[in-house]
Amino acid sequence: EAQVTQNPRYLITVTGKKLTVTCSQNMNHEYMSWYRQDPGLGLRQIYYSMNVEVTDKGDVPEGYKVSRKEKRNFPLILESPSPNQTSLYFCASSLGGERNSPLHFGNGTRLTVT
Amino acid sequence: AQKVTQAQTEISVVEKEDVTLDCVYETRDTTYYLFWYKQPPSGELVFLIRRNSFDEQNEISGRYSWNFQKSTSSFNFTITASQVVDSAVYFCALSEAGMIKAAGNKLTFGGGTRVLVKP
Repeated sequence: EAQVTQNPRYLITVTGKKLTVTCSQNMNHEYMSWYRQDPGLGLRQIYYSMNVEVTDKGDVPEGYKVSRKEKRNFPLILESPSPNQTSLYFCASSLGGERNSPLHFGNGTRLTVT
Repeated sequence: AQKVTQAQTEISVVEKEDVTLDCVYETRDTTYYLFWYKQPPSGELVFLIRRNSFDEQNEISGRYSWNFQKSTSSFNFTITASQVVDSAVYFCALSEAGMIKAAGNKLTFGGGTRVLVKP
């Protein structure tokens, strides 16, 4: 089954404790991205990747890191989480190229930073 | 810059009533794509529809219908004869052709409209 898998689904942590949210897709998609969802703001892009070893900042990249060492994986790293990073996070993937193709979203990771 | 506005933050209806969700967008690109997603209480995002800027035909899918009007930059969504299972947050989103390669197929989302359907 074609899917984007995020783990964990729920995460509670404390300020400053490094964490990683994993994302994996099995569709051989070139494009992958991370979004955060906050009330009233919808989803906003954090980082995106066009292919292996090619990543760039989205609209709200502060406090986050990503890596794309393999095509299928795109982990989101919070090296020193803060309470304002409490949010619902989504990983997404799609085919590359210039033609618009639908984004496939993971099921989300709800992060709470105390 | 692209922008999507969903002015209604929450709508409450009684089952079997129709409900229309408004979506207004801003873009400088002549080629763009509009989307609606549903987010049920379980939290996942469910894709509902994608339309491109060259196709202004309205679309109907079961109890769902969409009205795309370029003249008013709107892409409204109507649920006919609402059911309790329609209770969810609905997002309108925009993808510009220029953002596909420039930003990894970035979607710009509206703030969402929460729909509560009461039995």
